[in-house]
This record gives sequence, structure tokens and C-alpha cells, in this order.
Amino acid sequence: EVQLVESGGGLVKPGGSLRLSCAASGFTFINTWMNWVRQAPGKGLEWVGRVKSVIDGGAIDYAAPVKGRFTISTDNSKTTLYLQMNSLTTEDSGFYYCTTDPRDTVTTWGQGTLVTVSS
Amino acid sequence: DIQMTQSPSTLSASVGDRVTITCRASQSVSSWLAWYQQKPGKAPKLLIYKASILESGVPSRFSGSGSGTEFTLTISSLQPDDFATYYCQQYDSYSFGGGTRVEIK
Repeated sequence: EVQLVESGGGLVKPGGSLRLSCAASGFTFINTWMNWVRQAPGKGLEWVGRVKSVIDGGAIDYAAPVKGRFTISTDNSKTTLYLQMNSLTTEDSGFYYCTTDPRDTVTTWGQGTLVTVSS
Repeated sequence: DIQMTQSPSTLSASVGDRVTITCRASQSVSSWLAWYQQKPGKAPKLLIYKASILESGVPSRFSGSGSGTEFTLTISSLQPDDFATYYCQQYDSYSFGGGTRVEIK
């Protein structure tokens, strides 16, 4: 079964850091482009960043609001995607989803993990 | 950055209606366009990719068309399970439309 399971969300103070994890199973992780997408409560979807597959060079791109603060990485031995988030603000609050890329034949989203940035 | 403009933002319709949602890109995204359905408290579900290809398992009443800067999602005969919010996403440089909430008339 193709599955993505996020973890690591929680409550953090403004200016703080958090690392999210996304454990992948049921597909060939190293051949798959992966994305992070977020959604503030009651709002629309916002793309956060994408990492290309190993065979496609592994390039990483970020949305402008998170560039320089967030870092995407992978551990291929653990088939896990990470999102390191630094210098968090209240605008970063919301559900964070990991998802395969629409370009890939495998299409799935995780259940999401909630990040709350509040003092 | 490529901006995606979805319309309408809210749509009231009845079961059996034909429904069309439009997504316009601020510059060409070729056919790198996906449509998602999201229900409250759930992750989005992919319906259409590459502008017009139906994802496996998605009912054939859903269809997508367009290329370049203008795209449409059509539901040929709205069913009770289809009341949800729909998003377009360009995955040339990645951005989402603002969403269209389809509600019961």
C-alpha cells in the first residue's frame, strides 16, 4: 500500500524551529519527486517546496515565503522526507502535508501534521 | 511567480447539474496542471493531472481540459459526494489556485 505518514508537528513560539518528517512506503522513494504543501486553518493550499528524485538530480526548490528559513531533505535509507523550519512566524501555522508530485505515476498525500506558532 | 486564478470562488448547484470551474494562469504552464478535491478535515485528492488525464479510480463524470493559460474542470452530473472544495495546481513552477467551494443549492 502506498502511504505517507507525517509527524513532528506541534506548538512552537515565534522565532522557534521545528522539524517535520514524512515516512514513505509502498513505492520507490528514490525515483519519486516529493513536495511539501501547507494549509492555514480555513484557507487554501499553499505549495512550500519540492525535491526532485535522485535519478533526476535531486534539485530542491522553495516557495518565496519560506526560502532561506525552511530546508527540505531526504534520507533515502529510511525513505523519509524532512522539512526543517526555522525562524517561524504565526503566518507559518497550519497543516503541513507531504505529497508525491503530480508528474509521478504514484500519487498520494499524507494525512497532515499541525503546526501552531503562538506565544 | 505564476499566479493561478480560479473562478468562481463559490458555486451553488444541485444534484445532477453540470458544473464547470475555470483556472487561469498568469503565464503559460503548458499542460502541467492538476485538479484536486478536498473535503473538510481531509487531505486533498488528485482528480486530474496533465490538464486532462483522469487519475485512476476517479469517476468519469470528472473531466479536465485546456492548455497554456486557461483550464477547466467539468463535473458532468453533480453527485452528493461531489460537494467539496476544488483546487487547481500548476506544477511547472508550482502554485495553487484559491479554490472553488461547491455547495448545495
